[in-house]
Amino acid sequence: QQQVKQSPQSLIVQKGGISIINCAYENTAFDYFPWYQQFPGKGPALLIAIRPDVSEKKEGRFTISFNKSAKQFSLHIMDSQPGDSATYFCAASRRSGNTPLVFGKGTRLSVIA
Amino acid sequence: DVKVTQSSRYLVKRTGEKVFLECVQDMDHENMFWYRQDPGLGLRLIYFSYDVKMKEKGDIPEGYSVSREKKERFSLILESASTNQTSMYLCASRIDRGRDEQFFGPGTRLTVL
Repeated sequence: QQQVKQSPQSLIVQKGGISIINCAYENTAFDYFPWYQQFPGKGPALLIAIRPDVSEKKEGRFTISFNKSAKQFSLHIMDSQPGDSATYFCAASRRSGNTPLVFGKGTRLSVIA
Repeated sequence: DVKVTQSSRYLVKRTGEKVFLECVQDMDHENMFWYRQDPGLGLRLIYFSYDVKMKEKGDIPEGYSVSREKKERFSLILESASTNQTSMYLCASRIDRGRDEQFFGPGTRLTVL
């Protein structure tokens, strides 16, 4: 199984700060990179996703940066809020075909006031 | 809204019991998945099914089996529960491609005594 390596495992950020979570992948066939957000007691839910033909995608305070040559992608949360406290999972897959997502191990983010 | 439901939020079983975890989705999705989530290990894929009566092993299939007799229902079976199968179990579904959003259920917290 191809891996997706995620770091850090946990992150504490002050309210208003920038949260950054990094992921690296191995399989060059991957062409779809989503991030999932999980609140306590809930299942993960899709937050934002990117394809490798763009280097950045922004949705509100959430931005994915993608570096194809380095096989790395990252999630930036601007102006982090206590309500952003959750576990974040990066993932990768092929857009076509029905193979499953490969998930990173997750990052537990705590935003403190 | 897509809805993925799991039969129980909490379940307590004894070692050696046969355990059934049920998952139902209401959006005619082709693909369904079973994961277990453990602290520090992230989401690990147990089995997935890309069509009715079809199943594929994930990363950790040992000690588990699955059944998909109807499109909307995907069951995870622990043939003889063991204490190391105490975990959070998450079911998910998606339309049929890697690029499709994956919808998760709320999870079943299984404790094996």
